[in-house]
Amino acid sequence: AQSVTQLDSQVPVFEEAPVELRCNYSSSVSVYLFWYVQYPNQGLQLLLKYLSGSTLVKGINGFEAEFNKSQTSFHLRKPSVHISDTAEYFCAVSQRNQGGKLIFGQGTELSVKP
Amino acid sequence: EPEVTQTPSHQVTQMGQEVILRCVPISNHLYFYWYRQILGQKVEFLVSFYNNEISEKSEIFDDQFSVERPDGSNFTLKIRSTKLEDSAMYFCASSFSSGSYEQYFGPGTRLTVT
Repeated sequence: AQSVTQLDSQVPVFEEAPVELRCNYSSSVSVYLFWYVQYPNQGLQLLLKYLSGSTLVKGINGFEAEFNKSQTSFHLRKPSVHISDTAEYFCAVSQRNQGGKLIFGQGTELSVKP
Repeated sequence: EPEVTQTPSHQVTQMGQEVILRCVPISNHLYFYWYRQILGQKVEFLVSFYNNEISEKSEIFDDQFSVERPDGSNFTLKIRSTKLEDSAMYFCASSFSSGSYEQYFGPGTRLTVT
């Protein structure tokens, strides 16, 4: 069985500062890795995904994430955040060669202050 | 851009009543999902649906739950006899294929059971 742990429930940061949202996963089989963002009163939107190949993945809105197999991590980073990045961020995994079920972490609330 | 829609946005019902939550997936998608998020908790997988049958379901998805694709466009989740603990945000998602393909999420239906 897979599980996902997001180590920080809330991350406050000032505008234009860098940010890292941490995600660790546990799985006995190969997985795909995803980051989703949820803005207030909206559904989840895909930021980026890791399927295979290069361990550094770039997504929308200037976000990127690095897959580290030895540390079973998939941390999300942005070098300079904007007020509009304030949202809830979810890390998720799905098992390769399965039906696509996503297993989510608890979510990290990113709060960007001016 | 195509999107997943869900109705209603908010449903209030009394314990023991039946509710039907409705979703219109993206038109050329083949895989359909329901997830739920109890307030303050993580997003949890309920069920996946493909080729007019359930492909996978979680432990949460017991006999009180059912899904249906009654026509070519709608995808519904029925809770036969609601309990207080069914109060949650319910998200519908769809994807063109399973596994590595992005799941597109709807804005959710907030179900409140009183």
